[in-house]
Amino acid sequence: RKEVEQDPGPFNVPEGATVAFNCTYSNSASQSFFWYRQDCRKEPKLLMSVYSSGNEDGRFTAQLNRASQYISLLIRDSKLSDSATYLCVVNMAVSDYKLSFGAGTTVTVRA
Amino acid sequence: DGGITQSPKYLFRKEGQNVTLSCEQNLNHDAMYWYRQDPGQGLRLIYYSQIVNDFQKGDIAEGYSVSREKKESFPLTVTSAQKNPTAFYLCASSMGLTDTQYFGPGTRLTVL
Repeated sequence: RKEVEQDPGPFNVPEGATVAFNCTYSNSASQSFFWYRQDCRKEPKLLMSVYSSGNEDGRFTAQLNRASQYISLLIRDSKLSDSATYLCVVNMAVSDYKLSFGAGTTVTVRA
Repeated sequence: DGGITQSPKYLFRKEGQNVTLSCEQNLNHDAMYWYRQDPGQGLRLIYYSQIVNDFQKGDIAEGYSVSREKKESFPLTVTSAQKNPTAFYLCASSMGLTDTQYFGPGTRLTVL
């Protein structure tokens, strides 16, 4: 079983729609969680960290469900510029490095 | 402007040649990393360095080597022993090992 799994998509949505997708992780001791955004042939860029209580940044909402070991990302009022691959990243260590990256979920927003 | 730079952006190599990929950061970060990204796969860690003159193997270190002689620089050498080196190579840095990582623009290596 992969340490971090994501539905690769693609999720094709019209502008203005809401799209949501999950990422599951295998290690219940995982400590911190992130969503990165990666545009085609570019580097990943941090979108947001995911906190235990859930957090929101503009149109983006991230949730963490420790009991079921998944995190989610919801994008409201989708824009064309939201088209990208969203990488789920999980840190499984307390004081050392142990990041695991999902393969990404591709979102395409159409006009 | 603070950031991470990688060079070259594209690199073509003949089989049997070693190549060195550059990574420089001016963010005053202690930790630096090298990843490899292949289509349809998550990033995989090659090497990482927590401080100058120290580095650790990641999950796929075979066929690669690194050095960390300066805080700002973490070059990666892809040796001829690496069996499938064609990939997108990403360098990242962070304040410490458990802090948020920031990525450079990447180098696309193609072996001809």
